[in-house]
Amino acid sequence: AQRVTQPEKLLSVFKGAPVELKCNYSYSGSPELFWYVQYSRQRLQLLLRHISRESIKGFTADLNKGETSFHLKKPFAQEEDSAMYYCALSGGSYIPTFGRGTSLIVHP
Amino acid sequence: KAGVTQTPRYLIKTRGQQVTLSCSPISGHRSVSWYQQTPGQGLQFLFEYFSETQRNKGNFPGRFSGRQFSNSRSEMNVSTLELGDSALYLCASSPESLYGYTFGSGTRLTVV
Repeated sequence: AQRVTQPEKLLSVFKGAPVELKCNYSYSGSPELFWYVQYSRQRLQLLLRHISRESIKGFTADLNKGETSFHLKKPFAQEEDSAMYYCALSGGSYIPTFGRGTSLIVHP
Repeated sequence: KAGVTQTPRYLIKTRGQQVTLSCSPISGHRSVSWYQQTPGQGLQFLFEYFSETQRNKGNFPGRFSGRQFSNSRSEMNVSTLELGDSALYLCASSPESLYGYTFGSGTRLTVV
C-alpha cells in the first residue's frame, strides 16, 4: 500500500534560516507528488507539483526516486511562510494519500 | 474565476440521521474528489468523480456515497450518521489529477 510520511509534526526556525520539510513515500510505480500549504484561516492550496519542477514563493522540491523522498526546501525562510504543509501522493489506480502534515513556524 | 464552493459551511446532525453535502467545482474542472479531515486521521480520501463516474474510492463504509452531475457539481451523502463521522469534509476539483487539486473551504459536520 502506498504511504506518505512526514516525520516532523513541527518545525521551528528563525527568519532567514534555511528550511527543509521532509517527505518520504512508498509507492510502486511512477508517483505524482505534490506539496500543499494551509495558512492560518485559509483553505488548503496547492504549492508545488513535482512534474512542473517549478519554484513557488522560493520553495523547491526535488523527487529522489532512489531515496523515495520529495523534500520541500527554501534557502531563506520568511515569517509569512508559517503554515501547515502537506505532502501528497497520487498515481494510477491507487487512492490519493496525504501525509499528516508539518507545522512550520518562522520566528522573527 | 470562482473557486470551489462547498455548502453548507457548518452542519449539526443527530446520530442515525443522514446528510448531504454539496460541492461546485471550478468551471471546466471535470474531476471532483472528497476528503475527510480529522485530527486523529488527517486527510483521508473518500472518492473521486470524473465526468459523472466514480473513478476511485477510498476505504470508507458504504454509508458514504457520492455522485456527480452533468455540470460537474457533486454531492456526497452520509447515511446513518455516527459520532465518529464528525469531521471537516473537503471537496477538491481538478482538470485531471496530475495537475493537483483546488480545495474548497469545507463543510464542518458535527454529529451529536
